[in-house]
Amino acid sequence: AQSVSQHNHHVILSEAASLELGCNYSYGGTVNLFWYVQYPGQHLQLLLKYFSGDPLVKGIKGFEAEFIKSKFSFNLRKPSVQWSDTAEYFCAVMPATGRRALTFGSGTRLQVQP
Amino acid sequence: NAGVTQTPKFQVLKTGQSMTLQCAQDMNHEYMSWYRQDPGMGLRLIHYSVGAGITDQGEVPNGYNVSRSTTEDFPLRLLSAAPSQTSVYFCAASKTSGPYEQYFGPGTRLTVT
Repeated sequence: AQSVSQHNHHVILSEAASLELGCNYSYGGTVNLFWYVQYPGQHLQLLLKYFSGDPLVKGIKGFEAEFIKSKFSFNLRKPSVQWSDTAEYFCAVMPATGRRALTFGSGTRLQVQP
Repeated sequence: NAGVTQTPKFQVLKTGQSMTLQCAQDMNHEYMSWYRQDPGMGLRLIHYSVGAGITDQGEVPNGYNVSRSTTEDFPLRLLSAAPSQTSVYFCAASKTSGPYEQYFGPGTRLTVT
């Protein structure tokens, strides 16, 4: 079975600071990778996804993530955060074949101070 | 196009009561699933369905029951509520081929006292 680790549980940044949230997964086969965001009081929204091809993927709102297969990592980055980025961020993995079920990390709560 | 809808938004139950959380989607997606979200644990899969008449267990199925009689609806039943089932429940839908993005509903916050 797959598992996902998000090592940063709570991150506090000032506006305009750069962001990098770590995500590592464990699975023996090919995976699809996702980052979801949950703004306060809202449901999960997809930020970006990786299925194949260019390991650097760009998502909405200026976010990007890089898949490094050798490190089993899919870190999320943003060069300059805004107060509106305050939210909880979840990394998730899905096997490329078989059951289409997402396994989520425990989440990282990002607080951006104005 | 409403996407994925869930009712109710909030619910309080007493231990031992039963209830059904409703989930509906209008995207004609084959795959539907239920997750629960607990602090510090992310989302965990309860049950899922790959189409009408087909359901299977996820990571934390105990105490929950599902059925899928139509493509649109995927209700989650709590048979005998327990305080450990206090959580936020999310329903999701996706295609089973092509892009596998899962679309989530707004969630149901359940408290069991």
